[in-house]
Amino acid sequence: AQSVTQLGSHVSVSEGALVLLRCNYSSSVPPYLFWYVQYPNQGLQLLLKYTSAATLVKGINGFEAEFKKSETSFHLTKPSAHMSDAAEYFCAVSKTGGYQKVTFGTGTKLQVIP
Amino acid sequence: DTGVSQDPRHKITKRGQNVTFRCDPISEHNRLYWYRQTLGQGPEFLTYFQNEAQLEKSRLLSDRFSAERPKGSFSTLEIQRTEQGDSAMYLCASSLATGTGNTGELFFGEGSRLTVL
Repeated sequence: AQSVTQLGSHVSVSEGALVLLRCNYSSSVPPYLFWYVQYPNQGLQLLLKYTSAATLVKGINGFEAEFKKSETSFHLTKPSAHMSDAAEYFCAVSKTGGYQKVTFGTGTKLQVIP
Repeated sequence: DTGVSQDPRHKITKRGQNVTFRCDPISEHNRLYWYRQTLGQGPEFLTYFQNEAQLEKSRLLSDRFSAERPKGSFSTLEIQRTEQGDSAMYLCASSLATGTGNTGELFFGEGSRLTVL
């Protein structure tokens, strides 16, 4: 079974500082990996996805993530935090090919301090 | 807007009552998913449809829960004899699967929040 572990349920950064949200995955087969963002009172929105092509994946709003098989990690980064980045971020995993149930982590709430 | 829509957005009910949620997916999407999200947790998979066929149900989905997707379009999730532990946000998502499968990108609705008193 696939699973993801997000380290840190709450992360605070200053506006303009580096954002680093950590995600480690467990999968018996090559996974697909995702980061979703949820703004208050809104549904989840796909930020970026890794589907076995390039290991460095660029997403919307300046976010990117790097797939590191040796570390079983898929950390999310952004060079400079903006106030509008305050939201909850979910890492997710699924199997490749055919039907894939998407399994989510417990989420990391990002606070941006002005 | 042609995104995923869910109705109602909020439902308050008394324990023991039945509730039903509706989800209208993106029209060309053939897959539809129900997830449940409680405070401080990520979405938990409940069930999934490919067109009208329900292909997988989580063990979380007790016999008080039933989901349907008649004609492969909208879906309903019914909870019978609600319990306080059912209080949660119920999320619907849809996706488009091709012959080679899909890449797991889900499009979510804004959710239906259930409060059981």
